[in-house]
Amino acid sequence: EVQLVESGGGLVRPGGSLRLSCAASGFSFSSFSMNWVRQVPGKGLEWVSSISGSGSYIHYADSVKGRFTVSRDNTNNSVYLQLSNLRAEDTAIYYCARELVGTTSPLDYWGQGTLVTVSS
Amino acid sequence: DIQMTQSPSALSASVGDRVIITCRASQTISVYLNWYQQRPGQAPKFLIYGSSSLQSGVPSRFTGSGSGTDFTLTISSLQPEDFATYYCQQSYSVPQTFGQGTKVEIK
Repeated sequence: EVQLVESGGGLVRPGGSLRLSCAASGFSFSSFSMNWVRQVPGKGLEWVSSISGSGSYIHYADSVKGRFTVSRDNTNNSVYLQLSNLRAEDTAIYYCARELVGTTSPLDYWGQGTLVTVSS
Repeated sequence: DIQMTQSPSALSASVGDRVIITCRASQTISVYLNWYQQRPGQAPKFLIYGSSSLQSGVPSRFTGSGSGTDFTLTISSLQPEDFATYYCQQSYSVPQTFGQGTKVEIK
């Protein structure tokens, strides 16, 4: 069974940093690109970042470019999102999601999310 | 960036009703259109990929169609568990973008 479990969220002051983790199980982790998607509570979904299975290809939304860094550890089946220089508008639930290969790249499995709150 | 616009933003319907949600892309995306369902307090759930291909385990009352810039998600006979918010997403180009969501509420 595919499982994605995020952790690392919490309350952080503006300008602060946080590292989110997503532990994956139940599939061949290194074969899949992984994505981060965030959602302000009560609002819509915003794609944040993706990283290919090898880690060679990385993309970011303009809203986080230069402040967030995605990485992965295929030995430990985990993907990470380092959040830096945080702003109030980064407050959201952050989901990690697996990208299905061989089709139109939908996000077929999602974790339960971890809440990041940026506030003084 | 490709903008995705869903309509309506919300609708009220009864169990057994046929529901149609539309999604329009700001430029052509072929069939790189996916649909998700999100129930309150839950993570999104993947429903349809490639505009019309149903993910395994998704009930057949859900159908998707369209190509280019105009797409639809149809629920043929609304069930109690279908009351949720639905999102379209284009995966044609980076950044992937989502529609703003359509909330399906109980009438």
